Amino acid sequence: DIQMAQSPSSLSASVGDRVTITCRASQNLANYLNWYQQKPGNAPKLLIFAASSLQSGVPSRFSGSGSGTDYTLTISSLQPEDFATYYCQQAYNTPRSFGQGTKVEIK
Amino acid sequence: QVQLQESGPGLVKPSQTLSLTCTVSGGSINSGSHYWTWIRQPAGEGLEWIGRIYIRGGTNYNPSLKSRITISEDTSKNQFSLNLSSVSAADTAVYYCARETISGSIWYFDLWGRGTLVTVSS
Repeated sequence: DIQMAQSPSSLSASVGDRVTITCRASQNLANYLNWYQQKPGNAPKLLIFAASSLQSGVPSRFSGSGSGTDYTLTISSLQPEDFATYYCQQAYNTPRSFGQGTKVEIK
Repeated sequence: QVQLQESGPGLVKPSQTLSLTCTVSGGSINSGSHYWTWIRQPAGEGLEWIGRIYIRGGTNYNPSLKSRITISEDTSKNQFSLNLSSVSAADTAVYYCARETISGSIWYFDLWGRGTLVTVSS
């Protein structure tokens, strides 16, 4: 099974800040990596697929990058509605697996 | 607009079987190019992939749960279901059904139900 590790587990940031979240896989994912946003009480929402492709309707301040085992989600200018938990997910094989999540909180 | 809705008991006794159904509305479960999936999330924790079904194409299960899981389809009702046997308190979680879709060569979860809380307790 592929293990996914995100860092940091949580962070505090202010509106307008640039935020970067890292995801590391236990093996090469060949860009089969997706990112999700989850707000309390809600289901996760797809933000980025294939490491860097923006899902339709997602604001352009979200971007993804990376290759191999290391991937990054960046929010270029944090907005009030972006305070949430973010998960990476590998789609390389089954069982599918998720990172443990990164909670973005208000400073 | 396709929507997913989970349904089933919110309380299950230890050692019994948890049974949930996901009803797909606004589109056919037979539409192809989709896996229909179950994912769970214990309170305050991360997401765990349980398994998936491809209509008339088979299933894949998480090895950590494989001996206890059955995922099945009912195309006449546009539904798919999860049975998890021999439950314990560790199975208490919000259970989501989700659609996994392919674009190019990558699969991703593009549609989710709202989730249903299942508590295992006597």
